[in-house]
Amino acid sequence: DADVTQTPRNRITKTGKRIMLECSQTKGHDRMYWYRQDPGLGLRLIYYSFDVKDINKGEISDGYSVSRQAQAKFSLSLESAIPNQTALYFCATSDGLGGTGELFFGEGSRLTVL
Amino acid sequence: LAKTTQPISMDSYEGQEVNITCSHNNIATNDYITWYQQFPSQGPRFIIQGYKTKVTNEVASLFIPADRKSSTLSLPRVSLSDTAVYYCLVMIYNQGGKLIFGQGTELSVKP
Repeated sequence: DADVTQTPRNRITKTGKRIMLECSQTKGHDRMYWYRQDPGLGLRLIYYSFDVKDINKGEISDGYSVSRQAQAKFSLSLESAIPNQTALYFCATSDGLGGTGELFFGEGSRLTVL
Repeated sequence: LAKTTQPISMDSYEGQEVNITCSHNNIATNDYITWYQQFPSQGPRFIIQGYKTKVTNEVASLFIPADRKSSTLSLPRVSLSDTAVYYCLVMIYNQGGKLIFGQGTELSVKP
């Protein structure tokens, strides 16, 4: 089983719909991240959380919200999806500054907003 | 923020050494430099991390000059399976290790 699991892996939705992407991890890491990837733009940080009570905006948080339900779970929500939110979304975890800070990524969630 | 700049793309041939240079002029004293590799439709994978001078592991070497304003990822004797996008990141220590990706370098290895 994967250490970082994202669901759903693929989702097609319509403009204005609410969509939630879920991420769970078995690595025991405190830090979790959501990135989106668009062709030619690399990965951009949406939100990150360093523990259950900590939520921080990244580079492109507008139009998104997150929830850290537990150490192992970090969900990304699009309250009212729009077509330019069509992208590949990645969840990642890290063990923080005490270790290498290495990020461990999930397999990605491909979202299409029509 | 310590932004990074790298070439958009590079071409190489099997068996050659590939060097990808990244500039990070605004790197702060406590920041680390990290490189990731990404294959299509997969999440990035950690390759190597360093602070200064040279770091080597079983996959790559990382060269960092004394001023730390740039770094070079060296891939020895690349193969077709090394075709991927390579990202240089600066781990921003004073923001708790927030990791910002750049556009990455698309490496194409040809036979």
